[in-house]
Amino acid sequence: EDKVVQSPLSLVVHEGDTVTLNCSYEVTNFRSLLWYKQEKKAPTFLFMLTSSGIEKKSGRLSSILDKKELFSILNITATQTGDSAIYLCVHSGAGSYQLTFGKGTKLSVIP
Amino acid sequence: DAGITQSPRHKVTETGTPVTLRCHQTENHRYMYWYRQDPGHGLRLIHYSYGVKDTDKGEVSDGYSVSRSKTEDFLLTLESATSSQTSVYFCAISGWTGRSNTEAFFGQGTRLTVV
Repeated sequence: EDKVVQSPLSLVVHEGDTVTLNCSYEVTNFRSLLWYKQEKKAPTFLFMLTSSGIEKKSGRLSSILDKKELFSILNITATQTGDSAIYLCVHSGAGSYQLTFGKGTKLSVIP
Repeated sequence: DAGITQSPRHKVTETGTPVTLRCHQTENHRYMYWYRQDPGHGLRLIHYSYGVKDTDKGEVSDGYSVSRSKTEDFLLTLESATSSQTSVYFCAISGWTGRSNTEAFFGQGTRLTVV
């Protein structure tokens, strides 16, 4: 059974801090790892990672995948209160229709 | 934004009544999913579809059925609602690149309360 584990489960930081969210996975037939941000509504797509060692960036957010060590990290620099959300790590398998979700990291950014 | 809408957005129903949630997409994506999200459990797959009339069970399918009679619509039915089915339900869609799924796009969610 595929498994995605995120840590920490919750995190409180001050505005301006840099945070690193972790995602480890044990899956068969790896294809891609995805990150989503969920505020009080539907998850919204952030990144898809398929190749090891290649960083994806979008503004203050970046993510990288290590296929040898089976993990990914999501970095957020200069955090803002608008970054407060649940961040979800998801595995999409090769030859599988299913997405395997981690339980998420709840990030709270306080002024 | 991906064209995916869920209806209704909120529903309160009584135990034992049937309930149907609808997911409609305008992206012509092949795959459609129903998830439920509960505190402490994250998003859990109920059922998914990989084509018209092609569906399969996810990890929490008991008490739920689905139907997909056309590409754009995926219906989730609770035959006899129970309080344990009080949850937020998300529909998602994803496409196929020829080698793998694309990223999934989510509907806005349906908050269902069974009293």
